[in-house]
Amino acid sequence: GENVEQHPSTLSVQEGDSAVIKCTYSDSASNYFPWYKQELGKGPQLIIDIRSNVGEKKDQRIAVTLNKTAKHFSLHITETQPEDSAVYFCAATLLNTGGFKTIFGAGTRLFVKA
Amino acid sequence: DTAVSQTPKYLVTQMGNDKSIKCEQNLGHDTMYWYKQDSKKFLKIMFSYNNKELIINETVPNRFSPKSPDKAHLNLHINSLELGDSAVYFCASSPGPGEWDEQFFGPGTRLTVL
Repeated sequence: GENVEQHPSTLSVQEGDSAVIKCTYSDSASNYFPWYKQELGKGPQLIIDIRSNVGEKKDQRIAVTLNKTAKHFSLHITETQPEDSAVYFCAATLLNTGGFKTIFGAGTRLFVKA
Repeated sequence: DTAVSQTPKYLVTQMGNDKSIKCEQNLGHDTMYWYKQDSKKFLKIMFSYNNKELIINETVPNRFSPKSPDKAHLNLHINSLELGDSAVYFCASSPGPGEWDEQFFGPGTRLTVL
């Protein structure tokens, strides 16, 4: 089955610096890679996603890159702010018998120090 | 307006008891999910329903029984609770079961089994 590995598990950066989170997936049939942000005491929320026919996507300070050949995808946050502190999950979707299921990475806890 | 709501937010109970968690979405979505998040933040899908029909059923003990009375509701009943069931349970919904359908998560129910 699909396996999504995520690194690092914890990341601490100074406000204004960039943060990069990397993921790899195992099943080459996956075509959709969402990223979720989970703030303390809340459910995960989609922040950006990328489809397999695209190599890069950007939304303000957040960008994702995808290398389908290597089965790698990454999240880049520039000019980090204290409110970026949260747990970030990468994910990949995989076709199941009845529909698509989302396989999540183990999460990265990001701390942005003011 | 709350999009995906869960009740209760916290649930503390003794081993061996039976408990239920309720979920409702007002987004008009066809698909709903239950996820389990353990103490290490690992997020894993348990069940998915599309139009009240079970479409994803992961390797979950049969003490867990989901029920979808209509498209807007998905409840989770747990029999004979065990210590290992302690976790945060998230309900989510999406427009459909498709590969690119964004999932919207509820705030979670923290279950503690003593």
